[in-house]
Amino acid sequence: GAGVSQSPSNKVTEKGKDVELRCDPISGHTALYWYRQRLGQGLEFLIYFQGNSAPDKSGLPSDRFSAERTGESVSTLTIQRTQQEDSAVYLCASSLIPNYEQYFGPGTRLTVT
Amino acid sequence: AQSVTQPDIHITVSEGASLELRCNYSYGATPYLFWYVQSPGQGLQLLLKYFSGDTLVQGIKGFEAEFKRSQSSFNLRKPSVHWSDAAEYFCAVAPGTGANNLFFGTGTRLTVIP
Repeated sequence: GAGVSQSPSNKVTEKGKDVELRCDPISGHTALYWYRQRLGQGLEFLIYFQGNSAPDKSGLPSDRFSAERTGESVSTLTIQRTQQEDSAVYLCASSLIPNYEQYFGPGTRLTVT
Repeated sequence: AQSVTQPDIHITVSEGASLELRCNYSYGATPYLFWYVQSPGQGLQLLLKYFSGDTLVQGIKGFEAEFKRSQSSFNLRKPSVHWSDAAEYFCAVAPGTGANNLFFGTGTRLTVIP
């Protein structure tokens, strides 16, 4: 079946602009995660959605970052007033059950100039 | 502090040689443990996982990992490395309580020489 998809695959934006990244999880997966991977580093957790529960936003680095999810489907991660330090690969993952294996999308490479 | 440690930033092995990548974690309870592989420009692919039971787990691509509770380790092994195994390898932990996400190590980059 289809895996996790993300769009766009690459995004170049100017400092101060807003960007929106999209994630389509695997159908039927109730849990959805966003991570950030800076160059040469591991993954940093950003936000977690589980069904209709309130999202876990504990990993969001600032109030410029927000995310939404419609039911158990698509999620969008929005970064407002982008800064150069936001340049990274943003990875989305979904899992059938929270804390079980997560399946990752290919990521969106964001470059802020 | 809770953490996942991959002490080797970069490892180089010859094709056909054996491989062991180290992973240590510091979480109180027995967590769920994972190894992921990331090829250049690709997303992360799950190699194997440990939840409970047999402490030696088999994964895809000929990889295996052994959970050692006494050492808080979950090392990844492969008896004979192929050139296509060159990639970045990440150990990850789901603590199981108090956190909804995976905690990742900083990764080990594997180079395979002919």
